[in-house]
Formats: sequence, C-alpha cells, structure tokens
Amino acid sequence: GEDVEQSLFLSVREGDSSVINCTYTDSSSTYLYWYKQEPGAGLQLLTYIFSNMDMKQDQRLTVLLNKKDKHLSLRIADTQTGDSAIYFCAEWDSGAGSYQLTFGKGTKLSVIP
Amino acid sequence: DVKVTQSSRYLVKRTGEKVFLECVQDMDHENMFWYRQDPGLGLRLIYFSYDVKMKEKGDIPEGYSVSREKKERFSLILESASTNQTSMYLCASNIFGPNQPQHFGDGTRLSIL
Repeated sequence: GEDVEQSLFLSVREGDSSVINCTYTDSSSTYLYWYKQEPGAGLQLLTYIFSNMDMKQDQRLTVLLNKKDKHLSLRIADTQTGDSAIYFCAEWDSGAGSYQLTFGKGTKLSVIP
Repeated sequence: DVKVTQSSRYLVKRTGEKVFLECVQDMDHENMFWYRQDPGLGLRLIYFSYDVKMKEKGDIPEGYSVSREKKERFSLILESASTNQTSMYLCASNIFGPNQPQHFGDGTRLSIL
C-alpha cells in the first residue's frame, strides 16, 4: 500500500520561511494535500496539487512537487506565530479507485518569536 | 462552508461501556470517515462509508463498529471500551471523486478509565 513519510518536528524563527517536506510511494497519478491542525482542533485543508503539476502558489504558501523523486514540500513565507501547528501531508490514489487518503504522521511546526 | 460536527469535544467513559461517537455533516456528502489520532502514529482510518447503510473497514477496525442510517450522520461505536481506545477521534466527509478534499470535524478526545 501507499506510504507517506514526513519529519516530525520543525522549528523556525518568526519572519523566516518554513519548509516542510514529505515523500510518498505511489507511482500512479495522484492528488497530494497539505492539511493544518491547530491545537485541539480538527484538520483544515490548506492546499493541494495534482501530480502533473510542479508547483502551486497560494499567497504565503508554495507547494513544490518533484514527481521523479516522489517528494513534496510546503513552503510558508514570512512564518508567523499563528502558523504554529501540525502539518499533514496526504495522498489520494486515483489509480486504485480508492476512497481513502493516506496521511503522513504530521510535522509539528514551532515558530519562535 | 462545509460543516462537520462531532457531538462531543471531550468524553470520559469506563472500561467495558458501550460508547457512541456521533458525527453530522451538512453538505450532502456521500463519503464519511472515522479516524483516530495518536501521538507519533498520525491518523489511522478506522471505518468509512460511501453511502447510506454502506461501510468499509479501514486500517484498524478491531473493537469498533459503525452505523450510517442517514446520509448526514455517521456513528462510531465502541462495543466494549478498553483503555487502549483512549485517543482523539476525528470524523471527516467529502464528495466522491478526485480533487475532493476531506473536511474534518474538531475531534472528540475520548478517555477510557
């Protein structure tokens, strides 16, 4: 089955850029998602990218996809204390007719004032 | 905006009790999901449903059952609660199809004593 890996922790200073990385194993066409979870809350969809794209930008967020290496990253520009949260990478496999997403274990981003 | 509502934010039950966690969505979504979230393990899918009265096992269905009698409501049932079922439970829903993100509730933090 699919597997999604991401590092567990990241610390950055306020105002710096944050880069959260993710690798996935599925080789067929797929959608890849980034979710944010603030303390005590559910997951909020941040952005997504289809595997035929290389990059997607949305305000302070930039998603980069290296399909050859199966590597996905989320860059947050001008990181703020409100960006402190757990960020989950998730993959939807369109080839398998699956209803499911496969989630990484989440990267906890800590922003230092 | 899509609204996924979980009936309780916090719940404390005793070992051996039958526990019901309720989830309601207001966007006529076909698919609904139950996950549990544990530190270091990320999100793990317990059960999902793609239609009324339909259900599919996820990765960790043991000790759980589900009920979907109406399209908007998906219930998770712990038949005989055990301490290892202490966790954060997250409900999600989406429309079937590619590029249809899952929308999450705020979670129920369940403690089994």
